[in-house]
Amino acid sequence: QVQVVESGGGVVQPGGSLRLSCAASGFTFSSYGMHWVRQAPGTGLEWVALIRYDGSKKYYTDSVKGRFTISRDNSGNTLYLQMNSLRSEDTAVYFCAKDRGGATTIMDYWGQGTLVTVSS
Amino acid sequence: SYVLTQPPSVSVAPGQTARITCGGKNFGTKSVHWYQQKPGQAPVLVVYEDGDRPSGIPERFSGSNSGNTATLTIGRVGAGDEADYYCQVWDTFSDHVLFGGGTKLTVL
Repeated sequence: QVQVVESGGGVVQPGGSLRLSCAASGFTFSSYGMHWVRQAPGTGLEWVALIRYDGSKKYYTDSVKGRFTISRDNSGNTLYLQMNSLRSEDTAVYFCAKDRGGATTIMDYWGQGTLVTVSS
Repeated sequence: SYVLTQPPSVSVAPGQTARITCGGKNFGTKSVHWYQQKPGQAPVLVVYEDGDRPSGIPERFSGSNSGNTATLTIGRVGAGDEADYYCQVWDTFSDHVLFGGGTKLTVL
């Protein structure tokens, strides 16, 4: 069955860096776009980034542009999120989600998330 | 920028029908998708492309989209349906995914 499992979260100081990983299985990873979505404590969902199936196009929410980089390794079935210049407002649970594919953008499978805490 | 507006909360008695709305400009040109999130869990897709259901989602969940409002309808609501529900679109103008603010469904 389809599985996506995030890792790499933790506590980091403001201005620091962290790299999240998302291991995918149960589907042809190289055929689907992938997303990162975050949820700050007690708040709603916020989309962070999308990478197309072949890595040719990447999209970011405005608040992370220039600080975060989404990438993928199709040979290793892994999605990444490199987070630099972290701020307290980046504190959140970060979810990896598979895109359903097709003409619209739909997240059909989600991981359980990994917690990132930015604090001194 | 494009904004999706949801009511913060909806309450319904057991066995009744819950309707959760999502407002956005010119919705008729966009496909709207809905996610359910229970406390401490990952979101789950329950309705996509306005009204289709993924496999495993009960027929009690349905959706519609007309004008400037999309609606998630949950029939015969039970305690297991208590959750936060989020609508989502892809904004082709900004090339961004957008989520509504979420609606907390309470079963009385």
